[in-house]
Amino acid sequence: AQTVTQSQPEMSVQEAETVTLSCTYDTSESDYYLFWYKQPPSRQMILVIRQEAYKQQNATENRFSVNFQKAAKSFSLKISDSQLGDAAMYFCAYRRALLTNTGTASKLTFGTGTRLQVTL
Amino acid sequence: AAGVIQSPRHLIKEKRETATLKCYPIPRHDTVYWYQQGPGQDPQFLISFYEKMQSDKGSIPDRFSAQQFSDYHSELNMSSLELGDSALYFCASSQKPGQGYEQYFGPGTRLTVT
Repeated sequence: AQTVTQSQPEMSVQEAETVTLSCTYDTSESDYYLFWYKQPPSRQMILVIRQEAYKQQNATENRFSVNFQKAAKSFSLKISDSQLGDAAMYFCAYRRALLTNTGTASKLTFGTGTRLQVTL
Repeated sequence: AAGVIQSPRHLIKEKRETATLKCYPIPRHDTVYWYQQGPGQDPQFLISFYEKMQSDKGSIPDRFSAQQFSDYHSELNMSSLELGDSALYFCASSQKPGQGYEQYFGPGTRLTVT
């Protein structure tokens, strides 16, 4: 079974600074997807960034970028120029690339989350 | 752009009662996933459907059942409710194939069992 571990329950960053959230995972599969989801106080799950395991290039989305180390099974999220609106719970998630027997995407497996505070 | 719709948004039930949660996927999305997020926990996968067939099954209690209808909407039926069923229930939808099979989440239904 796949597992996702987020070892930082809480992190804090000053506005305009950079912060890195850590995530490690365990899988025996070679092809998979990794995600970072943001859950603000509204509790809505918002996709921040996605990484395909077969791609060596790290994904970036504006101020968000990842450091994907496949051999180390590590997938960290870097938030640059932090803003007050970045304050939220961040979940790392894993999904097998292998489809289900109905040809649909497999379930997401989430880590326990990191609560990010942004201070002035 | 249209998003996943879940109803009701909030639901309060007593122990041993039943509850029905509804999910309306994004137009042209044919796959629906249900996740349960307990207080202070990460979302846990319950079950998924494609073309009215169960695609995958997670840690869904036997007291829960779900189905997908011909218009692709899905309902999660929960019976003999327990205090531990209090949680945020997310529905997500995706397209087969399309958009990298990305799962888009609804706003959730907050179920409180008293």
